[in-house]
Amino acid sequence: EIMLTQSPATLSLSPGERATLSCRASQSVSSYLAWYQQEPGQAPRLLIYDASTRATGIPARFSGSGSGTDFTLTISSLEPEDFAVYYCQQRSDWPLTFGGGTKVEIK
Amino acid sequence: QVQLVQPGAEVKKPGASVKVSCKASGYTFTTHVMHWVRLAPGQRLQWMGWINAGNGNTKYSQEFQGRVTFTRDTSASTVYMELSSLRSEDTAVYYCARGSSGSYYNYADSWGQGTLVTVSS
Repeated sequence: EIMLTQSPATLSLSPGERATLSCRASQSVSSYLAWYQQEPGQAPRLLIYDASTRATGIPARFSGSGSGTDFTLTISSLEPEDFAVYYCQQRSDWPLTFGGGTKVEIK
Repeated sequence: QVQLVQPGAEVKKPGASVKVSCKASGYTFTTHVMHWVRLAPGQRLQWMGWINAGNGNTKYSQEFQGRVTFTRDTSASTVYMELSSLRSEDTAVYYCARGSSGSYYNYADSWGQGTLVTVSS
């Protein structure tokens, strides 16, 4: 099973600041990685798939990069609605697995 | 727009089974797979498997193999997840999530609001 490790566990930032979230895989997943956002009490929402492609309707301030084992989600300028938990997920191998999440909180 | 509607909560005793529904609307039901994912307290999201809503084929995570069954009713645009031999560790929010189109079906582009399943004596 491919393990995904996200860091940091919590990121404390102010609105307007840049957020950089990391996801590291225990083995190569090529570019088969997605990012999801989950606001409190809400269902997860697909942000990025195949490492760098924004899903439909996702604002341009969200961007993804990386391949192999190291991936990054960047939020260029935090909006109030961006304070949430972010998960990465790989589709390279069965079972599909998720990272443990990074909580982006207001500083 | 795509909507996946799930019941809010279920309470079950240890050893019992639970069957959670997920009613889809806003798209052609039979053209997508439906994933089931759960989130237990203090744990990470855990993928349980998927069902192809068109032909009924299923793929289960080995962790749940033998204890979980996915079915679908195409006339009602509804998929079901049944988990048996429940134990306290199965207490979690269970989500259905639509697989994306084409080769991206192992990404989930729309999610239900989740069903809280509580297992308690």
